[in-house]
Amino acid sequence: NAGVMQNPRHLVRRRGQEARLRCSPMKGHSHVYWYRQLPEEGLKFMVYLQKENIIDESGMPKERFSAEFPKEGPSILRIQQVVRGDSAAYFCASSPLRGKGANVLTFGAGSRLTVL
Amino acid sequence: AQTVTQSQPEMSVQEAETVTLSCTYDTSESDYYLFWYKQPPSRQMILVIRQEAYKQQNATENRFSVNFQKAAKSFSLKISDSQLGDAAMYFCAYNTDKLIFGTGTRLQVFP
Repeated sequence: NAGVMQNPRHLVRRRGQEARLRCSPMKGHSHVYWYRQLPEEGLKFMVYLQKENIIDESGMPKERFSAEFPKEGPSILRIQQVVRGDSAAYFCASSPLRGKGANVLTFGAGSRLTVL
Repeated sequence: AQTVTQSQPEMSVQEAETVTLSCTYDTSESDYYLFWYKQPPSRQMILVIRQEAYKQQNATENRFSVNFQKAAKSFSLKISDSQLGDAAMYFCAYNTDKLIFGTGTRLQVFP
């Protein structure tokens, strides 16, 4: 079991470009979470998805950010027209079930986005 | 809204000694889980220990144990016999159906 795979590990974009971050959950996991970690800060929840559905996007910025988890393929976090403040590490986590913490989230190694 | 507070930005400990990292949280729920995650320089988030709120017994995992005080909404992590490999950022987290993290405590371990 390869664990949660995120790519790219590092992504450099210029202001105004688009960033696409991909996350393949662990085999058998249908629940995906995205978190953002700014330098020297903790992880902030962004969005929770199940296959083909967004369950909770309360942590997503209202503009430029979107996420999807299609029936086939990885989950994608898309940031349009990036700005310097988007520079951060973006972590994906997956779990087999939704629930009250009995289902431990397994995290990927993160994707570090740098906006020049 | 649920919040998690870690009031110690940095802590240090000598190898083989014991250190305690503090965490408090705020919630109106009665059924929840609490976690401690470790983030070494590699950035990988590693689960250290978890506690179920309805269990009064404190969780223990080898050298790691917690002091869970539900009424005080306190969830501290004790690391015994500290090792150089324990040096990392430690995040306390609260979970209902999504994890809410504290701001972290950077632990340094000195030989």
